[in-house]
Amino acid sequence: KQEVTQIPAALSVPEGENLVLNCSFTDSAIYNLQWFRQDPGKGLTSLLLIQSSQREQTSGRLNASLDKSSGRSTLYIAASQPGDSATYLCAVNTGTASKLTFGTGTRLQVTL
Amino acid sequence: EPEVTQTPSHQVTQMGQEVILRCVPISNHLYFYWYRQILGQKVEFLVSFYNNEISEKSEIFDDQFSVERPDGSNFTLKIRSTKLEDSAMYFCASRKQGTLAKNIQYFGAGTRLSVL
Repeated sequence: KQEVTQIPAALSVPEGENLVLNCSFTDSAIYNLQWFRQDPGKGLTSLLLIQSSQREQTSGRLNASLDKSSGRSTLYIAASQPGDSATYLCAVNTGTASKLTFGTGTRLQVTL
Repeated sequence: EPEVTQTPSHQVTQMGQEVILRCVPISNHLYFYWYRQILGQKVEFLVSFYNNEISEKSEIFDDQFSVERPDGSNFTLKIRSTKLEDSAMYFCASRKQGTLAKNIQYFGAGTRLSVL
């Protein structure tokens, strides 16, 4: 059974810092990995999708890496801003129905 | 930009009542999903739906749950007799046909279900 873990559970950084969020998964037989953002009480916004054959994917200040063989992904956020404050979730896509298995998330707070 | 729409945003019901949560997936998408998130817990997969049938379901998705695509645009989740533990945020998602590795699942804003 696929298990997804995210560390740290919470992170507080001052504005402008670069930061890294970590995601690990137990079964490397994935199709892709998605990073999402969730604001309190809100839905899930897809940030990046990284395919199983890819090592890296970038969107603006965000960069996601994937090491499938070791079951790890990182989300790098450059020059953090207060508007980046949210919970970040990673999810791995497995099975022919391509269901997503989510981690518990990292709650990020960027302070002024 | 196309989006997944869910209604209502908040549903309050009494234990034992039936509820129907509604979703309008993105129009050219063919795969549909329901997930739920109990407060403070992980987002959990419930069911996937393709070609008018369930393609996979989780252990959570027991006989109290059903899904339906009643017309060309709506996708519904019915809970037949709600329990207190069904209180959660329910998310609908959809994706288009194509290579599994490349396809993003797009999520709606969710329906918060409160069972009293």
